[in-house]
Amino acid sequence: SQTIHQWPATLVQPVGSPLSLECTVEGTSNPNLYWYRQAAGRGLQLLFYSVGIGQISSEVPQNLSASRPQDRQFILSSKKLLLSDSGFYLCVWSPGKETQYFGPGTRLLVL
Amino acid sequence: GNSVTQMEGPVTLSEEAFLTINCTYTATGYPSLFWYVQYPGEGLQLLLKATKADDKGSNKGFEATYRKETTSFHLEKGSVQVSDSAVYFCALIGGGADGLTFGKGTHLIIQP
Repeated sequence: SQTIHQWPATLVQPVGSPLSLECTVEGTSNPNLYWYRQAAGRGLQLLFYSVGIGQISSEVPQNLSASRPQDRQFILSSKKLLLSDSGFYLCVWSPGKETQYFGPGTRLLVL
Repeated sequence: GNSVTQMEGPVTLSEEAFLTINCTYTATGYPSLFWYVQYPGEGLQLLLKATKADDKGSNKGFEATYRKETTSFHLEKGSVQVSDSAVYFCALIGGGADGLTFGKGTHLIIQP
């Protein structure tokens, strides 16, 4: 069966520090993967999506970046975190238009 | 681009009350529409969906009908329970864009 993991579950980081959030999927190959963020008082916003290794599309310009080093691994990064980066980060795998599998999410607090 | 607008909460109701959470959307073409629910301390999960106009999605006593003419997908339940307390997200996919477009979420509180 398909499983989607996110690590870490929670994270508290100082402003200006780097960030690396990891998402891995099991039970599939060549998945379409997405990173979303939910900031306080806002809905879930699409940040990046990837259709394959090394293929990243950015939806919103910001100080975040994403990488797809392996077929089933999707990483969200930042070189210097901002206070506004605080939020809930969700990795999503979509095998098709009508189906999405959600990871458990990472709650990030930037102080 | 695509957008989803839903009523913002918190919405507080008594048990057995009738529930409506409004959702309207903007998208080109014929998107698929979804309601997701996030119970306290849990991850996001699909509640129901509809993929074409006039389709009705239903699950756990909740219903929503895809109304193309009014670009709406309102969530309804005839008699809510305390266990329905959660955050509800309306979302769409399609309309020429990749990924889901979510509304801001509606926090529903059901009091006994």
